[in-house]
Order: sequence, then structure tokens, then C-alpha cells
Amino acid sequence: EAQVTQNPRYLITVTGKKLTVTCSQNMNHEYMSWYRQDPGLGLRQIYYSMNVEVTDKGDVPEGYKVSRKEKRNFPLILESPSPNQTSLYFCASSSPGAKNYGYTFGSGTRLTVV
Amino acid sequence: AQSVAQPEDQVNVAEGNPLTVKCTYSVSGNPYLFWYVQYPNRGLQFLLKYITGDNLVKGSYGFEAEFNKSQTSFHLKKPSALVSDSALYFCAVRDRPLGGGNKLTFGTGTQLKVEL
Repeated sequence: EAQVTQNPRYLITVTGKKLTVTCSQNMNHEYMSWYRQDPGLGLRQIYYSMNVEVTDKGDVPEGYKVSRKEKRNFPLILESPSPNQTSLYFCASSSPGAKNYGYTFGSGTRLTVV
Repeated sequence: AQSVAQPEDQVNVAEGNPLTVKCTYSVSGNPYLFWYVQYPNRGLQFLLKYITGDNLVKGSYGFEAEFNKSQTSFHLKKPSALVSDSALYFCAVRDRPLGGGNKLTFGTGTQLKVEL
């Protein structure tokens, strides 16, 4: 089944403790992206990657890092999480030839930073 | 820069009545337009898209949307609402040609509540 898999689904952590949210897709998509969803703000892009070893900032990149060493994986790294990074995070992938011309989204990771 | 506006935070409708969820957009060229739905504690599910062609597009679960270029709108509609349609709906836009990072820009979302 074509899908984007994120882990973990839920995470509670403390301020300053480094964490990684993993994202993997099995559709051989070139393009991957991370979004955060906050009430009243919709989804905002954090980082994106056009292909392996090609990443760039989205609209809200501060406090986040990403890497794209393999085509299928696009982890989101929070080096020193802060409470304002408490949010619902979505990974997505796409390709010029992708079905529906849009994205396939993961199920989301709900992160709470205390 | 591309942008999307969903002017209503919440839309309430009685079951069996028609529903409309509004969306307007701004892009520099011709748009790809999408509607996604999010049920509680779930990810985003694709509903429908407009790429080119007929202005009225049909999607999943009986939803449809009308592309209006002059009004830069892409309103989501359904002739007869169901309680199970209650969810958070997002409109999204992407520029074409495919460039600029393939970025999908979302609206702030509209909570649809369908009551008996």
C-alpha cells in the first residue's frame, strides 16, 4: 500500500531534549515536506526537499532541521525543543507524476513540549 | 507569493441541507487547487482537485467544487449534508508549472458541523 509513515504518533518531551520524528514513503517520490498544524493557522510548511541531499526552508523553519540522505526518508529534527513547538506535525510526499497531483500525507505526530 | 483564504472558521448546517465551504486563492499563474478533509485524530485525506478543464469538479464522498477564475474562488459543495461529514476542511493551492519546491499552501481550515 502506497503510504507515508510517521513515527511516533504521539510524543511528550521536555524543553531542550533533542528529538527526531521519522518519515518514510514507499512511492519513490522525489519531493518531501514537513508541515505543522496549529489551530487558526492551518498548515504551515517547515522544510522541504526536492530530492536526495537537496533541502530548503519553508515558511517556519526556525528551531528545526532536516536531512535527506535517502530518497524514502526525511526525518525532522528538533535540536532543542521549546514549548512553542508543541504542535501537530505532518510529513508529506509528492512527485510530478504523483496521483492527484498533490501530496500524500502521513498520519501525523502530535508533539507536546513541556 | 501564493495564498489561500477560508473566511469561515466554522460552518453549521442541518443534515440533508446543502453545504458550502468557501475558499479564495491568490497565485501568480494558473493554479492547482485542492480540498482536503481531516477527521478527528486523523491525517489529511484528499477530497478533490482542479487542474484544468471543467470548472465543476467532483470528488470523494459526494463532494464537488466549482472553480471560478474571475472570482479566484474554489468553493466546496455538497447537495445533501450528512452528520458524518462533520470534520475540518482545508483548501490548498499550488502554482504551476511545478516549481518553487512543489509547495502546497493551505488555508486556515473550516470546521464543518452537521447536526440532526
